[in-house]
Amino acid sequence: GQSLEQPSEVTAVEGAIVQINCTYQTSGFYGLSWYQQHDGGAPTFLSYNALDGLEETGRFSSFLSRSDSYGYLLLQELQMKDSASYFCAVRDQGNQGGKLIFGQGTELSVKP
Amino acid sequence: AAGVIQSPRHLIKEKRETATLKCYPIPRHDTVYWYQQGPGQDPQFLISFYEKMQSDKGSIPDRFSAQQFSDYHSELNMSSLELGDSALYFCASSSVSSYNSPLHFGNGTRLTVT
Repeated sequence: GQSLEQPSEVTAVEGAIVQINCTYQTSGFYGLSWYQQHDGGAPTFLSYNALDGLEETGRFSSFLSRSDSYGYLLLQELQMKDSASYFCAVRDQGNQGGKLIFGQGTELSVKP
Repeated sequence: AAGVIQSPRHLIKEKRETATLKCYPIPRHDTVYWYQQGPGQDPQFLISFYEKMQSDKGSIPDRFSAQQFSDYHSELNMSSLELGDSALYFCASSSVSSYNSPLHFGNGTRLTVT
């Protein structure tokens, strides 16, 4: 089966940098994804890593180390609107319809 | 750009009643997923369809059923509702030409069972 672990909450101040870690255990690996969800809203896709290394998309970057079964999401120049829950997720299979398994989410609070 | 559309946005039902949630995926997306999310929890996978055929099934109660129709919209039917069914229900769609296709979520249906 698949399981993911991430911190339950993180607090940071505006303008700072924060890193949200995720470790996973999977029977097969088909990439690590990150989703953002504001309270009561829909999860929205942020980033995806299939290979080791860093992927950068604007203020957000995501890193993957397959040998360590570990990844992280890096948020730079934090803004108040970044306060949300962040989920790491893995697919359980590589063929069509493979579902996403989510971690329990990290609630990020950005303070002024 | 077109997004995943879910209806209704809010639904209030009493115990033992039946509810039907609808989902209209993004055009040309071939896979639909249903997730249930309780307060403060991660989305839990219920069921998925690929090209209108059920492709995977998660921890979906026997009281729940779902299908995908010829126009690709999907419906989640929930019977004998229980208080514990109160949650946000999300539908998501993707185009699984490759396994890294992201899921696009609808805004969800908030179901309250009283």
